Amino acid sequence: DVKVTQSSRYLVKRTGEKVFLECVQDMDHENMFWYRQDPGLGLRLIYFSYDVKMKEKGDIPEGYSVSREKKERFSLILESASTNQTSMYLCASTPVSPNTEAFFGQGTRLTVV
Amino acid sequence: DQQVKQNSPSLSVQEGRISILNCDYTNSMFDYFLWYKKYPAEGPTFLISISSIKDKNEDGRFTVFLNKSAKHLSLHIVPSQPGDSAVYFCAASARGSTLGRLYFGRGTQLTVWP
Repeated sequence: DVKVTQSSRYLVKRTGEKVFLECVQDMDHENMFWYRQDPGLGLRLIYFSYDVKMKEKGDIPEGYSVSREKKERFSLILESASTNQTSMYLCASTPVSPNTEAFFGQGTRLTVV
Repeated sequence: DQQVKQNSPSLSVQEGRISILNCDYTNSMFDYFLWYKKYPAEGPTFLISISSIKDKNEDGRFTVFLNKSAKHLSLHIVPSQPGDSAVYFCAASARGSTLGRLYFGRGTQLTVWP
């Protein structure tokens, strides 16, 4: 079974802190994604990566950056956390092939106070 | 601009009855469609998918129908069970894309009551 693991289930951070969310997948998938989920807004894509050291902006990249130094690991960085970044963050991965499902981690519930 | 739309934010159905969740899309390049189920405080889990070369795909109690001319798909759950209560997301991917990017709707909260 594909496993996507996010380092924390719940996080509480202070405004202005630099926050790192880590994601690891164990199926050698090339593509990795970071989404955030907010009530009534669905899943919105923040950033994605299709190879090591490669990254692409999604629909809402402002206030975030990412790092992919190894194929299995994709990190989301909040440079200076703000209260409007309080959300559920979801990491996902897919292989390089069309018409395939994405596998999601369990999510990180981040609260910025 | 939402390319995948779920216009019903919630649906309430009695146990044993049929649940029908709807989804519309605007991008004619989409050729693969998926449904995900999400419980609170968990990640989404894949439920069922359909390729644009088909108009129906069935897996146990779950059936997805695709109407390409109307750019509409629906998920039918028969019979509905209380454990089906969750948020359901419709998603789509573009033709031939190997990047794996999915475009999601905003979700429909399904509540199945006894």
